[in-house]
Amino acid sequence: AQSVTQLGSHVSVSEGALVLLRCNYSSSVPPYLFWYVQYPNQGLQLLLKYTTGATLVKGINGFEAEFKKSETSFHLTKPSAHMSDAAEYFCAVSPHNDMRFGAGTRLTVKP
Amino acid sequence: DTAVSQTPKYLVTQMGNDKSIKCEQNLGHDTMYWYKQDSKKFLKIMFSYNNKELIINETVPNRFSPKSPDKAHLNLHINSLELGDSAVYFCASSQEVLSTGNEQFFGPGTRLTVL
Repeated sequence: AQSVTQLGSHVSVSEGALVLLRCNYSSSVPPYLFWYVQYPNQGLQLLLKYTTGATLVKGINGFEAEFKKSETSFHLTKPSAHMSDAAEYFCAVSPHNDMRFGAGTRLTVKP
Repeated sequence: DTAVSQTPKYLVTQMGNDKSIKCEQNLGHDTMYWYKQDSKKFLKIMFSYNNKELIINETVPNRFSPKSPDKAHLNLHINSLELGDSAVYFCASSQEVLSTGNEQFFGPGTRLTVL
């Protein structure tokens, strides 16, 4: 079965600091990998996705993620956090006709 | 223009009642989904329809029944509501089934509170 593990349910960074949100997946086949963001009282919005090709994927709002097959990881990073980045972030894997989400990581950005 | 819309946004009701949540997408997508997000933000897929045909039916109580009158609509009907049904329900859609790596577009959610 495919699954996603997000390490750290809550990450707190200072404004301007590096953001690193961790995601590991288990998959018997090469998966499609996604990061979604959920702002308070809103639906999920796609940040970026990996399907094939370049393993470093750039998304919206300055976020990027790197697919590392050997580590079965797809960590999300942003060089400099902004207050507006405070939200819930979900890693997801889509092995077949399904989407499995991680438990989410709440990002807090301190001034 | 709203891509995926849900009504109502908030729903407060008594235990035992029957209620429906409506979802519409104007993206021309073939596949639609219902997710349940619990109080800990955990997201779980409930149903998926492709061209009005049910393709995913996770282990949810049969009190939950999805209905897809056409490709653009996927409604969720819930019978005999229970306290544990309180959650935020999200509708989503994608161009094709997810095996092709398509992203999903989510609605704003319906917060259901069962008293």
